[in-house]
Amino acid sequence: QKEVEQDPGPLSVPEGAIVSLNCTYSNSAFQYFMWYRQYSRKGPELLMYTYSSGNKEDGRFTAQVDKSSKYISLFIRDSQPSDSATYLCAMRTTNAGKSTFGDGTTLTVKP
Amino acid sequence: GAVVSQHPSRVICKSGTSVKIECRSLDFQATTMFWYRQFPKQSLMLMATSNEGSKATYEQGVEKDKFLINHASLTLSTLTVTSAHPEDSSFYICSARDPREKTYEQYFGPGTRLTVT
Repeated sequence: QKEVEQDPGPLSVPEGAIVSLNCTYSNSAFQYFMWYRQYSRKGPELLMYTYSSGNKEDGRFTAQVDKSSKYISLFIRDSQPSDSATYLCAMRTTNAGKSTFGDGTTLTVKP
Repeated sequence: GAVVSQHPSRVICKSGTSVKIECRSLDFQATTMFWYRQFPKQSLMLMATSNEGSKATYEQGVEKDKFLINHASLTLSTLTVTSAHPEDSSFYICSARDPREKTYEQYFGPGTRLTVT
């Protein structure tokens, strides 16, 4: 079993929809949680960084962490075609440690 | 955010030859760099962690004699794929930690597409 599970999708939504992306994990020692966006044939870029449980909002993006359920989510409001990409969750046990990545969810937002 | 570059972006080489990929942090000094490999529609697989001035730490199952990593300066790390074979064809991505940031976040390069014929 993988330490981090992520539904690969693909997920297709109409423009303006609210998108929910999720990851589950098995290692209770994970404390730092990240979401990355990766466009085709490009390197990932950091979208959200969260420490421990709780919510964090940045513009149209909201990250949620529920450590009791070992479940993290990324919500995208008012989705745009430019949001079409692969979204990777990542997490680590210590701030300076190495990250463990999910397999990524491919999202397409149709105009 | 910090900028990381990779060169080349795409390389085609013949089986048995070696190819070098460069990773540079452009506007910060990176004491730690990471090398990843990514197969189509799959996640990032960490190959090794590279610390400036010391030997790289390889992940289990990664051949250190085949994937040579050198972190000679605070802004440059190189990955050399030696005696490349078609199964080495992949997307290689580096990342670098910006020590100025308390989050220890890593910034990724744009990746290098290696094709071995």
